[in-house]
Amino acid sequence: EPEVTQTPSHQVTQMGQEVILRCVPISNHLYFYWYRQILGQKVEFLVSFYNNEISEKSEIFDDQFSVERPDGSNFTLKIRSTKLEDSAMYFCASSDVAVPQYFGPGTRLLVL
Amino acid sequence: GENVEQHPSTLSVQEGDSAVIKCTYSDSASNYFPWYKQELGKRPQLIIDIRSNVGEKKDQRIAVTLNKTAKHFSLHITETQPEDSAVYFCAARAIQGGSEKLVFGKGTKLTVNP
Repeated sequence: EPEVTQTPSHQVTQMGQEVILRCVPISNHLYFYWYRQILGQKVEFLVSFYNNEISEKSEIFDDQFSVERPDGSNFTLKIRSTKLEDSAMYFCASSDVAVPQYFGPGTRLLVL
Repeated sequence: GENVEQHPSTLSVQEGDSAVIKCTYSDSASNYFPWYKQELGKRPQLIIDIRSNVGEKKDQRIAVTLNKTAKHFSLHITETQPEDSAVYFCAARAIQGGSEKLVFGKGTKLTVNP
């Protein structure tokens, strides 16, 4: 059964550094998402992406965040200048229509 | 916007007992309600979902019920097994303006004791 994959599984960075989180959605899916989960808390929506553009973003997704689909298979989340409060598990998800959404294994980001 | 409340936050049952987790939502226009199971350190895994045109859906030991009038939906797990131990999240799809985002509850940590 095809699954969403994400790399890296863990990332440690210094505050102020840029990070890029990578995702490979399920191959025939058209909708892509990033969610985050701060330790012990609920999953929160960041952004959705369809037809090569952002279709929706949350208030968390400020100017420090950007997403890109650089080729036919990857979907990336960039955080330009990381803050301590960006430490979280970041999940990529994809879907062929809007629902259901299938989640990747996550990237645990730790900002020091 | 949509808000999803989930109860209880923790639930402990004996193996073989049933477990029920309840969620309420605020946006009467929401029309899709999935349940995800998340084992420690792993991805949220979709276990069952229900759309607003259906009142109940069952898949083996798992069932979900939806009451649109009261704006609540519940997950029922029968004959629980230790491998059912995990955090369960409910979610609702907010459809204003064609939104695709899922709004999640805070999760229920289910422990099934052998």
